[in-house]
Amino acid sequence: EVQLVESGGGLIQPGGSLRLSCAASGFTVSSNYMSWVRQAPGKGLEWVSVIYSGGSTYYADSVKGRFTISRDNSKNTLYLQMNSLRAEDTAVYYCTATITGVDYWGQGTLVTVSS
Amino acid sequence: QSVLTQPPSVSEAPRQRVTISCSGSSSNIGNNAVNWYQQLPGKAPKLLIYYDDLLPSGVSDRFSGSKSGTSASLAISGLQSEDEADYYCAAWDDSLNGYVFGTGTKVTVL
Repeated sequence: EVQLVESGGGLIQPGGSLRLSCAASGFTVSSNYMSWVRQAPGKGLEWVSVIYSGGSTYYADSVKGRFTISRDNSKNTLYLQMNSLRAEDTAVYYCTATITGVDYWGQGTLVTVSS
Repeated sequence: QSVLTQPPSVSEAPRQRVTISCSGSSSNIGNNAVNWYQQLPGKAPKLLIYYDDLLPSGVSDRFSGSKSGTSASLAISGLQSEDEADYYCAAWDDSLNGYVFGTGTKVTVL
């Protein structure tokens, strides 16, 4: 069974950094493409970043240069390093895995950027 | 702002059929597969339709997807109270080099 468990969210001051983790089980992270999607309070879904099996990465313009997606194959875990955080980055962050076209989602982790 | 446009809300009586539209362009829907997601209140999104019209295992066949040109649609037949949720379309956008979500549609069962 595919499972995704995010962690690392919390309250952080503007300008600060945070690293989100997504522990995967039931499949191999490095063999599929993994994404981060966020949802600000009361708002719609916003794609953040993707890492493909070959290692290519892409980012939304809103986070380019500040966020970095990566994975640890030995831990079967996906990460999102978030730097220079802004109030508008406040959201629930979801980890997703796409396996032969089918998306699986984690339960999400809340990031609040506030002083 | 999203590049995929959906109606903000649709409503219909139980057991009826509703259709949600998703309007895009040649760089997204016109050239890439469309997915549809259901988000129940307070829950994570769930995949309903992938590759335009395929149902993942376990998803009710009351849901169906279609695509024509730069637009896509999600249909829900035999509407039930449990279908009350937000629905989003999504597709890769070749111009943005990113995945784009629709504006979202709230379905209300009257």
